[in-house]
Amino acid sequence: DAGVIQSPRHEVTEMGQEVTLRCKPISGHDYLFWYRQTMMRGLELLIYFNNNVPIDDSGMPEDRFSAKMPNASFSTLKIQPSEPRDSAVYFCASRRGRDTGELFFGEGSRLTVL
Amino acid sequence: KQEVTQIPAALSVPEGENLVLNCSFTDSAIYNLQWFRQDPGKGLTSLLLIQSSQREQTSGRLNASLDKSSGRSTLYIAASQPGDSATYLCAVSNQAGTALIFGKGTTLSVSS
Repeated sequence: DAGVIQSPRHEVTEMGQEVTLRCKPISGHDYLFWYRQTMMRGLELLIYFNNNVPIDDSGMPEDRFSAKMPNASFSTLKIQPSEPRDSAVYFCASRRGRDTGELFFGEGSRLTVL
Repeated sequence: KQEVTQIPAALSVPEGENLVLNCSFTDSAIYNLQWFRQDPGKGLTSLLLIQSSQREQTSGRLNASLDKSSGRSTLYIAASQPGDSATYLCAVSNQAGTALIFGKGTTLSVSS
């Protein structure tokens, strides 16, 4: 398997623009997680899905952030409008089952909002 | 609310040394604990997973221990090598099926 695939790897945009990050989980994994990593705050959970259904979105900073998982092989994280404080590395991770625990991460999408 | 702390934030050692990385968590009612490695500009790679009923796990030169009652875990690296240089993160889950909560990591530098 190719692992968790994220795109784009790097995104530079201007404040106010819409940003869409994409994730393809490992085939057969039924859990998908979106995390954000910054130097100041470390890795923070934004939202996670089980069988394409959002389970916990309490980490989503505000209404500017939204996430969808239309099918088992694709998820998006959208920021509209983007702000400089959204600059971070956004990671997608997937896992098979609720008990096995091992989490597989993508390489991340580095977002810079000017 | 569960919080995970890792001390020290950074550590430098000469090649060949044995070392211990520390992780503490505020709520001892965890489901499992994992240690990850992150290389610069990369995603995280799982190293060891310890279930709440276990005391330790070993993989090669790595040994992770868990003391739930005291809210602590340690990652022991034997005979460190320059290739071990990376950031090591500890994470816990409070229930089956939930997300991991991460510490901020310890950045390890091993000099040759």
